[in-house]
Amino acid sequence: QQPVQSPQAVILREGEDAVINCSSSKALYSVHWYRQKHGEAPVFLMILLKGGEQKGHDKISASFNEKKQQSSLYLTASQLSYSGTYFCGTGGSNDYKLSFGAGTTVTVRA
Amino acid sequence: NAGVTQTPKFRILKIGQSMTLQCTQDMNHNYMYWYRQDPGMGLKLIYYSVGAGITDKGEVPNGYNVSRSTTEDFPLRLELAAPSQTSVYFCASSSGQYLANYGYTFGSGTRLTVV
Repeated sequence: QQPVQSPQAVILREGEDAVINCSSSKALYSVHWYRQKHGEAPVFLMILLKGGEQKGHDKISASFNEKKQQSSLYLTASQLSYSGTYFCGTGGSNDYKLSFGAGTTVTVRA
Repeated sequence: NAGVTQTPKFRILKIGQSMTLQCTQDMNHNYMYWYRQDPGMGLKLIYYSVGAGITDKGEVPNGYNVSRSTTEDFPLRLELAAPSQTSVYFCASSSGQYLANYGYTFGSGTRLTVV
């Protein structure tokens, strides 16, 4: 079952912050985050595990709320290079494969 | 390292034709996957493999076939192409079991149009 991402799209000015949410109706064990630039392949950003710590990648960080079965991706002090579509991928504890959300398109303007 | 290599990058097929999308990885990853991405949509799993000789269906396997005779190669076969198979196809690989510590490495994709 695919996770649900929100919002579908967000437009930011450089330096602004944004939060992207990823929710699942299925018990989660791991949540992956990827970023895809237009016309390119998705690129791995980070993994969050159930019971694990909040992760970070440059000024992009993420958290995992076990009670809500939800992960949030935080874009802090956004840069032009943060533009792209962000996907969350979720899996259970016995999964070999990820189910991906529909994506959140982030546009950062100067 | 080349990572995950997909060929061709672009292809136009006529309805009813067949083709094979090639995927090769040089990272000795056991886990390989085929996803399709329709415009404005997320990635839908077609087939996956957990090792040479072992394959299984994903969410949208109809109209496709795969094989995994070696660790490196995971080709995707389209038989009797239909317009609904117009999409961008991504191959991915991963080294980790249960996805706990290892992300996917994606190939650059194959853009397929069926007319």
